[in-house]
Amino acid sequence: NAGVTQTPKFQVLKTGQSMTLQCAQDMNHEYMSWYRQDPGMGLRLIHYSVGAGITDQGEVPNGYNVSRSTTEDFPLRLLSAAPSQTSVYFCASSYSTGGPGGELFFGEGSRLTVL
Amino acid sequence: AQKITQTQPGMFVQEKEAVTLDCTYDTSDPSYGLFWYKQPSSGEMIFLIYQGSYDQQNATEGRYSLNFQKARKSANLVISASQLGDSAMYFCAMRQDSNYQLIWGAGTKLIIKP
Repeated sequence: NAGVTQTPKFQVLKTGQSMTLQCAQDMNHEYMSWYRQDPGMGLRLIHYSVGAGITDQGEVPNGYNVSRSTTEDFPLRLLSAAPSQTSVYFCASSYSTGGPGGELFFGEGSRLTVL
Repeated sequence: AQKITQTQPGMFVQEKEAVTLDCTYDTSDPSYGLFWYKQPSSGEMIFLIYQGSYDQQNATEGRYSLNFQKARKSANLVISASQLGDSAMYFCAMRQDSNYQLIWGAGTKLIIKP
């Protein structure tokens, strides 16, 4: 019953460092996405994918890269970390992109601090 | 532009009372879905309930129901017989069927008092 698995759960970076947040799901969902959650702002979409080999930008894509080489995995790369990227990051997947079955299943979140 | 508004930043409710959490939305797309999620202090996001724009009846899931008023563009979550474990952040979200992005409200922090 793994669902959506994110690693690491916590990470501290220095400004300018790069890192990858890993996300894997075992539900054969085509749709996967990355969100960041900041206090008082709800969740904001960073990037999403509707299937292997297909990715697109969300609301706040700057400073992040994604790729989707398999249905299961959707890593998020921070290219050159900045303090503004301090946040909690969630990976989420869904069976469909609309209608019933479009509800997102979330990972447990990754808390990132950039010093 | 699509938008979700949750006007109640925080609410205190006595245990066993019913709770209504407000959500209004704005979209020009005729086909969309509305979602409610719960985020306890532990941080995980838990899906509660879904309402489609063409659904004739209000959605219900156990103690959760969605008061969907399409003309007013509101999708309020009703929790019946609140419990201490209902204390959490609650988020309303909308997904237009014409694109894949879920738009989120800022959330309401619900605290249930014993």
